[in-house]
Amino acid sequence: DGGITQSPKYLFRKEGQNVTLSCEQNLNHDAMYWYRQDPGQGLRLIYYSQIVNDFQKGDIAEGYSVSREKKESFPLTVTSAQKNPTAFYLCASSAAAINQPQHFGDGTRLSIL
Amino acid sequence: SQQGEEDPQALSIQEGENATMNCSYKTSINNLQWYRQNSGRGLVHLILIRSNEREKHSGRLRVTLDTSKKSSSLLITASRAADTASYFCATEIKAAGNKLTFGGGTRVLVKP
Repeated sequence: DGGITQSPKYLFRKEGQNVTLSCEQNLNHDAMYWYRQDPGQGLRLIYYSQIVNDFQKGDIAEGYSVSREKKESFPLTVTSAQKNPTAFYLCASSAAAINQPQHFGDGTRLSIL
Repeated sequence: SQQGEEDPQALSIQEGENATMNCSYKTSINNLQWYRQNSGRGLVHLILIRSNEREKHSGRLRVTLDTSKKSSSLLITASRAADTASYFCATEIKAAGNKLTFGGGTRVLVKP
């Protein structure tokens, strides 16, 4: 079955540590997105990519980095520069055109030790 | 403030009743989309309504769009306990490509 897989489901970060969240899709979508969701809130866009080897900052990119070396994969690194990383992180993908729905993974919950 | 603002923030109804939630936005859009999120899970796409459409249906869901008022509504008819979730509207803004801007969501509790 086609879909988006995020791993791990739960992740813990120590102070000063970088951590990487994985996102893989087999939907053959060109566009991929990373969102952050804080408790009781909506989603905020961190980074997005419309094509391999290209990505753009979203609304809250500071303290985060991404890469897009393969169409299927869009990993997100939460760096030590992100001072408040505790949140629920969601990855999504879509066709790279307007008027297309986004398909979401089941998220990674990141907490600080 | 966010592009999409949802109202109410929370809604509690009995099974079998209808649930209505609203979304307002600020700028011209290509489309407006509704998503559902069960607790601790990812979002599931429900309906996409384009800027030149006024109403769409999908099963027990009915979505309206009024571009003159920059608002949309989602109606869930004959609600079930399984409809308990958070519902988010998201707008695809013109000149912003296919990025979405999400509202804060409406938390719906359907009591059996």
